[in-house]
Amino acid sequence: RKEVEQDPGPFNVPEGATVAFNCTYSNSASQSFFWYRQDCRKEPKLLMSVYSSGNEDGRFTAQLNRASQYISLLIRDSKLSDSATYLCVVSGYALNFGKGTSLLVTP
Amino acid sequence: GAGVSQSPSNKVTEKGKDVELRCDPISGHTALYWYRQSLGQGLEFLIYFQGNSAPDKSGLPSDRFSAERTGGSVSTLTIQRTQQEDSAVYLCASNPTGPLNNSPLHFGNGTRLTVT
Repeated sequence: RKEVEQDPGPFNVPEGATVAFNCTYSNSASQSFFWYRQDCRKEPKLLMSVYSSGNEDGRFTAQLNRASQYISLLIRDSKLSDSATYLCVVSGYALNFGKGTSLLVTP
Repeated sequence: GAGVSQSPSNKVTEKGKDVELRCDPISGHTALYWYRQSLGQGLEFLIYFQGNSAPDKSGLPSDRFSAERTGGSVSTLTIQRTQQEDSAVYLCASNPTGPLNNSPLHFGNGTRLTVT
């Protein structure tokens, strides 16, 4: 079983839609969780950390469910500029990346 | 600059040659990571340094790959006798303390390696 698993998508949504991504992880001892965003042919960049109580940053909401070992990212009111690949990241001995979920927001 | 710096940004080499990739992390960051990303794939962990030592080398794909870090700063990733399957973007990242704290990674722009 892979350390971090994500639905690769692609998710094609219209502008203004709400979209949610899930990610599952295998190491129950993991302590740190993040969502990164990667644009085509660019390096990954931190979108937001994920805290146990859940956290929100503008249109983005991240949730952590330790019991079920999954993380979610909710994007409200999608913008064209949200089109990217979203990477779930979970700490282990290093930081383990999922393969990413591709999002395409269309006009 | 204040970010993670990698060089070269692009490298084309012939199969069988050795290559050396360099990473200069953010000053003061004790943890340094190497990942690689093949076209259309996710990030594959290669190796992680805490200071000059590498607690986790589990991701190195073969004994042709090695890495070192000196002075707790610059790291080099060496690939000997390159093969075509080594073609990928090699990404370096650093963070202040390591993977077990809630400290995100800061990535360099990567080295795009093409083995012909």
